[in-house]
Amino acid sequence: DAGVTQSPTHLIKTRGQQVTLRCSPKSGHDTVSWYQQALGQGPQFIFQYYEEEERQRGNFPDRFSGHQFPNYSSELNVNALLLGDSALYLCASSLPTWDGTEAFFGQGTRLTVV
Amino acid sequence: AQTVTQSQPEMSVQEAETVTLSCTYDTSESDYYLFWYKQPPSRQMILVIRQEAYKQQNATENRFSVNFQKAAKSFSLKISDSQLGDAAMYFCAYFAGANSKLTFGKGITLSVRP
Repeated sequence: DAGVTQSPTHLIKTRGQQVTLRCSPKSGHDTVSWYQQALGQGPQFIFQYYEEEERQRGNFPDRFSGHQFPNYSSELNVNALLLGDSALYLCASSLPTWDGTEAFFGQGTRLTVV
Repeated sequence: AQTVTQSQPEMSVQEAETVTLSCTYDTSESDYYLFWYKQPPSRQMILVIRQEAYKQQNATENRFSVNFQKAAKSFSLKISDSQLGDAAMYFCAYFAGANSKLTFGKGITLSVRP
């Protein structure tokens, strides 16, 4: 079982550019959540996808958008990058239950905006 | 809104000793779940232990145990017989089915002295 895989592991972008991050969930999982983790902080919830629909969204601007594909993989898109978007972006996959079933995390994508 | 507070930014423990990491939370929900996650330098979040709020018995997983005080909204993690591999950031997290997202604290950096 490959677990949750994210790509790329690192990338550097310039202010104003757009970026796409990718996530493949753990086998058998169909719910994908994205988190932003600033340096020295805890992860902050961006949004969650289930059945190709955004089910829940955190307090992030519309510059952050996502997509889920029929194979449950997901993309996070960020437009008009700001310096403050520099962070570790974590993807977590889980089953679509409401009982706190364990979420499995990928190793993240380290985004640096210069 | 639910909040999770970890007031200790750093802690240090001698190898083979016991250490306790503190966490408090705030919620108006009656049914929820609490977690401790470990994030080593590899960046991947690893679930350490999980507690269901409706269970009075404290969860244990080998050397890891929690002290769950529901009325006080306190959820501390005890690590017994600390090992060098326990050195990492530890995050306390809250989950309630109503919002289906994990809310994390700021984390605590644990170092283990040989």
